[in-house]
Amino acid sequence: GAVVSQHPSWVICKSGTSVKIECRSLDFQATTMFWYRQFPKQSLMLMATSNEGSKATYEQGVEKDKFLINHASLTLSTLTVTSAHPEDSSFYICSARVAGVPDTQYFGPGTRLTVL
Amino acid sequence: AQKITQTQPGMFVQEKEAVTLDCTYDTSDPSYGLFWYKQPSSGEMIFLIYQGSYDQQNATEGRYSLNFQKARKSANLVISASQLGDSAMYFCAMYGWGKLQFGAGTQVVVTP
Repeated sequence: GAVVSQHPSWVICKSGTSVKIECRSLDFQATTMFWYRQFPKQSLMLMATSNEGSKATYEQGVEKDKFLINHASLTLSTLTVTSAHPEDSSFYICSARVAGVPDTQYFGPGTRLTVL
Repeated sequence: AQKITQTQPGMFVQEKEAVTLDCTYDTSDPSYGLFWYKQPSSGEMIFLIYQGSYDQQNATEGRYSLNFQKARKSANLVISASQLGDSAMYFCAMYGWGKLQFGAGTQVVVTP
């Protein structure tokens, strides 16, 4: 099956620092990757859609200057949380889309970010 | 616009019993897909089952079956013969207009 990895699996950082999270499709090429955020006891909320070689499309209410997304290759997308604050503490999950019938998304294991 | 609703925040089910998790949806996209995912405490999202909007038959995958009622816009998940390892959060999701949107989730606890 299709495997998506995320690195790191957890990270603790100081307020004001930037954190980069990597999302890789290990055994397939993904032209589209998605970034979700999940606060405790809540559902996954789509942050942005990332297409290889083009600018990401952000959902309403998501600050594009704070959450920088780069999809430089067909197997790697990165999310950088810039100037992180405690309210950015959350579980960040990426997924990679495999086009077809059905259009399926394979999820990474998630990254737990804690900002002190 | 699309909306997906799970009205059951939590459920207890006894081991070996069947459980039905409710999911209703609304969308203007004529072609859409419905998914169910399981999220254990580790946080990983595990794909369970898929139903396409044009599929005539209800989807089944092992102990999971999807009761798809298109006219009622519902896509309930049935887990048969529950096991202790089924304890987790379950999310219904709908793919339409290029996005996957999740319901609020239902926490299932399987008791011995």
